[in-house]
Amino acid sequence: GAVVSQHPSWVICKSGTSVKIECRSLDFQATTMFWYRQFPKQSLMLMATSNEGSKATYEQGVEKDKFLINHASLTLSTLTVTSAHPEDSSFYICSATDPITSGSDNEQFFGPGTRLTVL
Amino acid sequence: RKEVEQDPGPFNVPEGATVAFNCTYSNSASQSFFWYRQDCRKEPKLLMSVYSSGNEDGRFTAQLNRASQYISLLIRDSKLSDSATYLCVVNKGGGLTFGKGTHLIIQP
Repeated sequence: GAVVSQHPSWVICKSGTSVKIECRSLDFQATTMFWYRQFPKQSLMLMATSNEGSKATYEQGVEKDKFLINHASLTLSTLTVTSAHPEDSSFYICSATDPITSGSDNEQFFGPGTRLTVL
Repeated sequence: RKEVEQDPGPFNVPEGATVAFNCTYSNSASQSFFWYRQDCRKEPKLLMSVYSSGNEDGRFTAQLNRASQYISLLIRDSKLSDSATYLCVVNKGGGLTFGKGTHLIIQP
């Protein structure tokens, strides 16, 4: 149980285009999903917290107009990188909590990640 | 000061040896603590939660010292498959804060 998928697993795009990444909880309902970004040899950095039916909460330094997050259902959150530039090339990973199985530690289940390369 | 600090390594350890990692965190309001494992170009996977009472899962033992804001991980009888990056992670209530990771290489 508690499986999270992401699509696509990798994408290459031209500078200036927009890229949408999907994060799905396959066997549970996730009221909260999180989006992280990891640059090479760096730690995962939380970008935003996505709550179903409400606006996402962005971390300091993350542009909400550039990284659009939509959490329209209990099993799907999307991250759209608008007008992507080479410096946006990174590994984007989502995670979700399952209120039923996460326990008191509030364990997060991670998707397999999306590797974005902007040319 | 970084929120979660770890020695990046790499730690080169012979197979069968015992290896220990440490990590410190800066936010005393942190609520829960974890060790994750990340293989190259993959997502992180939960290794174990960490408690003040200490917890053990097979060859892995984790310990939390809240007073010192210090977390440890001990791996006994290391296997080649233990080679990975080990991430120290804290949760303040919401998204996770990751350390940069400690790179472990188990050598035959």
